[in-house]
Amino acid sequence: DAGVTQSPTHLIKTRGQHVTLRCSPISGHKSVSWYQQVLGQGPQFIFQYYEKEERGRGNFPDRFSARQFPNYSSELNVNALLLGDSALYLCASSSYGELFFGEGSRLTVL
Amino acid sequence: GESVGLHLPTLSVQEGDNSIINCAYSNSASDYFIWYKQESGKGPQFIIDIRSNMDKRQGQRVTVLLNKTVKHLSLQIAATQPGDSAVYFCAENIESGTASKLTFGTGTRLQVTL
Repeated sequence: DAGVTQSPTHLIKTRGQHVTLRCSPISGHKSVSWYQQVLGQGPQFIFQYYEKEERGRGNFPDRFSARQFPNYSSELNVNALLLGDSALYLCASSSYGELFFGEGSRLTVL
Repeated sequence: GESVGLHLPTLSVQEGDNSIINCAYSNSASDYFIWYKQESGKGPQFIIDIRSNMDKRQGQRVTVLLNKTVKHLSLQIAATQPGDSAVYFCAENIESGTASKLTFGTGTRLQVTL
């Protein structure tokens, strides 16, 4: 069975640009969560979506947004990129509580 | 506020020895705790979990202990192997209906020496 898949795996952007990260959950999982992991730190919760509705939001500015599609895949959008947005963005899907993480999308903002 | 922290940033153990990684949490409302292993360039991998109504849970070569009195969590790895080298995170989860949010600690790097 395929795990959580994320794309792109690596990308480089410049300050002020916009980025869209994509996530496909494990088949049958209806919940998708997004986390930001800055180098040397633990992941920080950004969003959780369940059945296409936002069910939780972490302490991130409005430049961060997300959505979930009818097939339960999800997108994370970040506008007006700052240098501090450079991080590994992790997507996780869950069915009954346990989170399964993807390999992440590494974003570098120059 | 909510926080999950680790006592030791780096732990070095010899192959074959047992490893103990500790974690302190501050939110008494947390009811579910998870240990993750993260290898370089990869996403966190689930190791073992424990609910707040338990104080011990065993898996294959791993044991998690939960002491709610002092808000302490530990991960024990038996017969540590080179493949165990990674960063280990504890995380706490406060579940509210279908919303769940993991709060991670900063991580402990486990180095296994030969």
